Amino acid sequence: QVQLQESGPGLVKPSQTLSLTCTVSGDSISSGGYYWNWIRQHPGKGLEWIGYIYYSGHTYYTPSLKSRVTISLDKSKNHFSLKLNSVTAADTAVYYCARTLSSSSWIDYWGQGTLVTVSS
Amino acid sequence: QSVLTQPPSVSGAPGQRVTISCAGSSSNIGAGYDAHWYQQLPGTAPKLLIYGNSNRPSGVPDRFSGSKSGTSASLAISGLQTEDEADYYCQSYDSSLSSSVFGGGTKLTVL
Repeated sequence: QVQLQESGPGLVKPSQTLSLTCTVSGDSISSGGYYWNWIRQHPGKGLEWIGYIYYSGHTYYTPSLKSRVTISLDKSKNHFSLKLNSVTAADTAVYYCARTLSSSSWIDYWGQGTLVTVSS
Repeated sequence: QSVLTQPPSVSGAPGQRVTISCAGSSSNIGAGYDAHWYQQLPGTAPKLLIYGNSNRPSGVPDRFSGSKSGTSASLAISGLQTEDEADYYCQSYDSSLSSSVFGGGTKLTVL
């Protein structure tokens, strides 16, 4: 059974960098064939795709966040990470990691989500 | 403003049938990209409900069904139950954005 688990600070100060890790179990991110995604949900709002990384290292970032986002893979630890810099209160959200078979396919596995609050 | 448009809310009585629409355009659903649907219960991660327009993953009751026509997709829920009360999201790929996108979500209230 594939499981994804987000981890990282739940509180980040404005202007600092939000860093989250998604640890994958039950599958190897090195084996190829899947896209590893970050999605966020502002409190009481809908879902927003942040971006994804393919096992080859190819990435996509949503245009509105592209200048501040980096998604990376650590195959040795079987996890992938999200960095979002220069955060503001508008980045307060639940952050989910997720797996898709392609850039256009459905999400078959989600992490449980982690709330990140941006506040001084 | 979401690329995929869903009604903010729908409601129905137990046992009734409701449908949730997902209106897209010629760059996503209308371009032939599949629509997928998720159910999100309060405080939990979304759960896949329908993939590839009309396919149900194992374990999803057949009360849930999906369809696609033209630039839109729909999710139908028949025999409404109180536990169906949740937020529902559609998802598709948009070629102009080169990314998958979600609809704004629909809150289902079971009266």
